[in-house]
Amino acid sequence: NAGVMQNPRHLVRRRGQEARLRCSPMKGHSHVYWYRQLPEEGLKFMVYLQKENIIDESGMPKERFSAEFPKEGPSILRIQQVVRGDSAAYFCASSPLAPTNTEAFFGQGTRLTVV
Amino acid sequence: KQEVTQIPAALSVPEGENLVLNCSFTDSAIYNLQWFRQDPGKGLTSLLLIQSSQREQTSGRLNASLDKSSGRSTLYIAASQPGDSATYLCAVRGGGGADGLTFGKGTHLIIQP
Repeated sequence: NAGVMQNPRHLVRRRGQEARLRCSPMKGHSHVYWYRQLPEEGLKFMVYLQKENIIDESGMPKERFSAEFPKEGPSILRIQQVVRGDSAAYFCASSPLAPTNTEAFFGQGTRLTVV
Repeated sequence: KQEVTQIPAALSVPEGENLVLNCSFTDSAIYNLQWFRQDPGKGLTSLLLIQSSQREQTSGRLNASLDKSSGRSTLYIAASQPGDSATYLCAVRGGGGADGLTFGKGTHLIIQP
């Protein structure tokens, strides 16, 4: 059973471009979470999704950021018109059940650098 | 809003010592607490998960305790080894309203050979 797969591992974008980060949860997991780790800061929750639904996006910036988890395929975190402040490590986690009583498994992360 | 604090921020000890990492959280209405390790440039590896109804969990040389009412958890590492060098993160789920985990900033641990 492969773990949580994120790609790409490293992504370089110029200011103003779009960044697309992909996350394939562990087999059998239907709950996906995205987190951001800024340099010298802790991980911050961004969004929680189930298949085809956004459950909690309280941590998402109001502009330029969006996330989806379609019925088929990976979850996508999309950042439009990237700025230097978006440079960070973005982590995806998945769990098999609702978040109240299950362990979260993390991917290796995508390190976004905006130049 | 849930806040998680980890003390100390950094720790350096000789190999073989037993050590304790501390974690505190402000809202005791949590579902569970999870300890992770993160190696430089890598993802997070889950170490232990403690449900809110549990007092402790053990895995090998690691033991984590939870005192939910006082908002505290400790991670005990026995007979430390250089391979234990990493950043250890404490995270809680619940309290403050969000569905995601709330993380502390971590304890950067160095085990000297």
